[in-house]
Amino acid sequence: RKEVEQDPGPFNVPEGATVAFNCTYSNSASQSFFWYRQDCRKEPKLLMSVYSSGNEDGRFTAQLNRASQYISLLIRDSKLSDSATYLCVVNRGGTASKLTFGTGTRLQVTL
Amino acid sequence: EAQVTQNPRYLITVTGKKLTVTCSQNMNHEYMSWYRQDPGLGLRQIYYSMNVEVTDKGDVPEGYKVSRKEKRNFPLILESPSPNQTSLYFCASSLMLAGLYEQYFGPGTRLTVT
Repeated sequence: RKEVEQDPGPFNVPEGATVAFNCTYSNSASQSFFWYRQDCRKEPKLLMSVYSSGNEDGRFTAQLNRASQYISLLIRDSKLSDSATYLCVVNRGGTASKLTFGTGTRLQVTL
Repeated sequence: EAQVTQNPRYLITVTGKKLTVTCSQNMNHEYMSWYRQDPGLGLRQIYYSMNVEVTDKGDVPEGYKVSRKEKRNFPLILESPSPNQTSLYFCASSLMLAGLYEQYFGPGTRLTVT
């Protein structure tokens, strides 16, 4: 089983739709969780961290479920500019050295 | 402007010809790391460094070397490149803060080994 698993997609949604991605992780000792966004052939960039209580940043909401070992990302009112690959990232330990990246979920928002 | 730079951005080379990919950051970050990204495999860590003269292996270190003689620079060295090292390489840096570790990535180096 992969340490971090994501549905690769693609998720094709119309502009304005709400879309949700899940990501499961296998290491119950994982401590920090993130969503990164990667545009085609570009570097990943932090979208948001995921807190235990859940957190929201504009149209984006992230949730963590430690019992079931998954994190989720909800995007409301999708824009064309949201088209990208979304990477789930898990910090396996207490230092920055042990980040594991999922393979990403591709989102395509269409007119 | 805060950034991570990598050079070269694109490189085509032949098997066995030593090469170095440079990485530099201007944010005074302690932590730096190299990743490779391959289709279906995601980003995998090659080596990381927690500070000057402190380096350690990541998940896929075979065939690579690194050094950290200065805080801002973290070059990746391929002593004898092979075709299976054809990949997209990213350098990243971050602060060593407990809790949140936002990684700042360089623009990537696309390496082809023939």
